[in-house]
Formats: sequence, structure tokens, C-alpha cells
Amino acid sequence: AQKITQTQPGMFVQEKEAVTLDCTYDTSDPSYGLFWYKQPSSGEMIFLIYQGSYDQQNATEGRYSLNFQKARKSANLVISASQLGDSAMYFCAMSQTGGFKTIFGAGTRLFVKA
Amino acid sequence: EAGVAQSPRYKIIEKRQSVAFWCNPISGHATLYWYQQILGQGPKLLIQFQNNGVVDDSQLPKDRFSAERLKGVDSTLKIQPAKLEDSAVYLCASSLDALAGSYNEQFFGPGTRLTVL
Repeated sequence: AQKITQTQPGMFVQEKEAVTLDCTYDTSDPSYGLFWYKQPSSGEMIFLIYQGSYDQQNATEGRYSLNFQKARKSANLVISASQLGDSAMYFCAMSQTGGFKTIFGAGTRLFVKA
Repeated sequence: EAGVAQSPRYKIIEKRQSVAFWCNPISGHATLYWYQQILGQGPKLLIQFQNNGVVDDSQLPKDRFSAERLKGVDSTLKIQPAKLEDSAVYLCASSLDALAGSYNEQFFGPGTRLTVL
């Protein structure tokens, strides 16, 4: 069975510093995709970054990068140069081949301090 | 480009009543998803459509929940009868084509917050 684990219920980071949000996963499917979404207090889910299981390079999108360690089954999100607007819930998610069976972790709430 | 539209944004009902939610995905998106997000938890996939066909409804409580996507565009999710534990935000999302072989990101609507009293 698939599983996503986010062990950090809450994280604090100083503005302009980098922060890493942890995500570990479990699946028996050799082909899968990993996603990170941001959910501000307004409630809308915003796609941040994607990593495919066969991708050789770690994904990057602007200030977001995904530290993908396949052998350890981890897909941590790194946010560089944190901004006050980064304060939100962050969810790690995984889909099987064909985009099926998308599952989300419990989320990490990030607080950025001025 | 217009995003995913959902209505209503909020709904309060008594238990045992019925309720329906509507979703209009991004134009041209073949795949549509309905999620249930209980307060403090991550979203849980209820049903996934590819065009107007169901590809996954394994977590949909079929004794009370139903969903359809007529003509492969708009979708409705219905609960009948509602229970207290159905109180949650119901999120609709769409993606270009989940079966095309690449992992398209999902675009989410603003959600419908349901309170069952």
C-alpha cells in the first residue's frame, strides 16, 4: 500500500533563510510521481514542484527544490530565501503510474518570522 | 486562463439531508478529481474521472456519495444522506491528461466547505 509521511506538524524559519520540509513515502510501484503543494489560509491548493521516480536530476522551480533520495524514499522540499508569503500548509503527495491513486501526507505548517 | 470553478463555497445542512457540489474544470482538462479534506488533514481522493468515465472510485463511500461527469466537462458530487463526519472541505481538481504518461500537476478549485449539524 502507498503511504506518505510528513513528520513535522509545524516549522518556523526566519525570513530570508532556507528551510527543509521532510517527506518520506512508501510504494511498490516502480513508476510514480512526487508532488509538493502549498495551501495558504485561503484554502486553495497551489502546485509547487514535481519529481518523477525515473528523473535523474532533482527538480527545481525558482526558490523551490526537491531533494529526491530514491533509496531512502524521501522527497524533501527545500525553500530558499523564505518570504513572509511562504507561511502556509505544505503537502507532499504521490501518484502512481497514469496519475492514479494520488495520496497526500498530513502536511507541515510553515511559519516565516520577520 | 480561467481556473477550476466550484460552487457553492459554503454549505450548512442538517444530518440526513442531501447536498450537491458542482465543479467546472479548466477547459481542455481530461482528468477531474474530487477530494475530501477534513480539518487538519491532507486531502483524500474520493473519485477520479478520465473524460466522462470513472477510473478510480475506491475510496468513495458509495452508500451515500455519488458523482458524475456528464459530457466529460462539469462534474457534480452528491451526498445523500449526510452524516456529521462528512463535515469537510470538498476540493475539485483537474489535470491535462493523467493517462497520457506524464504526471501532470493538478489544478485545484477553491473548495466547498460543508458543515453538517
